[in-house]
Amino acid sequence: DAKTTQPPSMDCAEGRAANLPCNHSTISGNEYVYWYRQIHSQGPQYIIHGLKNNETNEMASLIITEDRKSSTLILPHATLRDTAVYYCIVRAAGLGGATNKLIFGTGTLLAVQP
Amino acid sequence: NAGVTQTPKFRILKIGQSMTLQCAQDMNHNYMYWYRQDPGMGLKLIYYSVGAGITDKGEVPNGYNVSRSTTEDFPLRLELAAPSQTSVYFCASSYNQFTGELFFGEGSRLTVL
Repeated sequence: DAKTTQPPSMDCAEGRAANLPCNHSTISGNEYVYWYRQIHSQGPQYIIHGLKNNETNEMASLIITEDRKSSTLILPHATLRDTAVYYCIVRAAGLGGATNKLIFGTGTLLAVQP
Repeated sequence: NAGVTQTPKFRILKIGQSMTLQCAQDMNHNYMYWYRQDPGMGLKLIYYSVGAGITDKGEVPNGYNVSRSTTEDFPLRLELAAPSQTSVYFCASSYNQFTGELFFGEGSRLTVL
């Protein structure tokens, strides 16, 4: 799976949009971009994923650049409860359990400030 | 649905002791995983299972064993605990091999002294 690069930490004011960047310059054509978050001491929580088109769900939006070498997770109106470590992961789609392994890096610690 | 349930939540072991971390899911997921997370680090895959009776090693399997006798349960056994196994352990499950959406338990914090 391709390696990802994320800033170690970011701040965001409560009520503002939080934009979390991720670089994945070696991503392959069949690799998806996944975002998870981990609130302190809890298990990671799935947020969203995409291949090449922008995606939106009730939690967030995912913007993937046209060359797919980077992406941005957007939390439209950040709240204090969004303070967490956010992980960007690229994963190949395919058959077999081995390809379903998610490789977690160290992520971005988003601190939402009141 | 309870989702993924892990027990115990906390445990302190002495060096050389053994124990089993329990994991159960009620979502009828075929795939289950064990990860460990050391302080300030990301998660590392220990073992995974693609269905009852089938398990395979992940990135850091040494010192651990798993079994999968039922779809619901995926226990992780630590034999001869060592201080290097002090970590938070997370169990996860997913419906199949195509989805990257994993459901995680709340974690089991293990300290080996």
